[in-house]
Amino acid sequence: SQQGEEDPQALSIQEGENATMNCSYKTSINNLQWYRQNSGRGLVHLILIRSNEREKHSGRLRVTLDTSKKSSSLLITASRAADTASYFCATELIQGAQKLVFGQGTRLTINP
Amino acid sequence: NAGVTQTPKFQVLKTGQSMTLQCAQDMNHEYMSWYRQDPGMGLRLIHYSVGAGITDQGEVPNGYNVSRSTTEDFPLRLLSAAPSQTSVYFCASSLYLGLAGKNEQFFGPGTRLTVL
Repeated sequence: SQQGEEDPQALSIQEGENATMNCSYKTSINNLQWYRQNSGRGLVHLILIRSNEREKHSGRLRVTLDTSKKSSSLLITASRAADTASYFCATELIQGAQKLVFGQGTRLTINP
Repeated sequence: NAGVTQTPKFQVLKTGQSMTLQCAQDMNHEYMSWYRQDPGMGLRLIHYSVGAGITDQGEVPNGYNVSRSTTEDFPLRLLSAAPSQTSVYFCASSLYLGLAGKNEQFFGPGTRLTVL
């Protein structure tokens, strides 16, 4: 199975609600990154959290990292229709020379 | 800055044909990589490079070749296309910090390849 696995695979919520996505991984990492992909587009970097950090904020995004559980979560607060996209976590392995290993993604749909 | 550009956007090949997917970046990034994305899947690393003249294999390198003669360009060659190579291909670049890592990757818009 892949290094990063995300949960849930799909999430549908109403506009204004909060969306939470989770990512689990298997081996030690340098950092964990979250990316967004709009349909038919390339990936856009959202936020990076280092292995020695526990929480990070960027606008409406909040990322947590628990290295003891090898898991991370991405919280999007006050969701908007424009947040509809697929969200991927990517782990940079310690021995990976900056190689990223991606999860399968969470498909988020925000209903107006 | 144009960022990361990829050509072509779409391509249809017959089994056995060869072709080169082009990738270029104008951000002076040392690190460049190629991924493929299959339906409902995340990205899988094909090949990567940490600088001109240096390339290495990723998770799924079979059937693909790369070279890095300049900092700006990182073409991906399909030697003999197979239907299993039908996918969307993304090129990405970032600053290279060695084992320290910690840098975001910038992605191109992708090339959608179909092999018949």
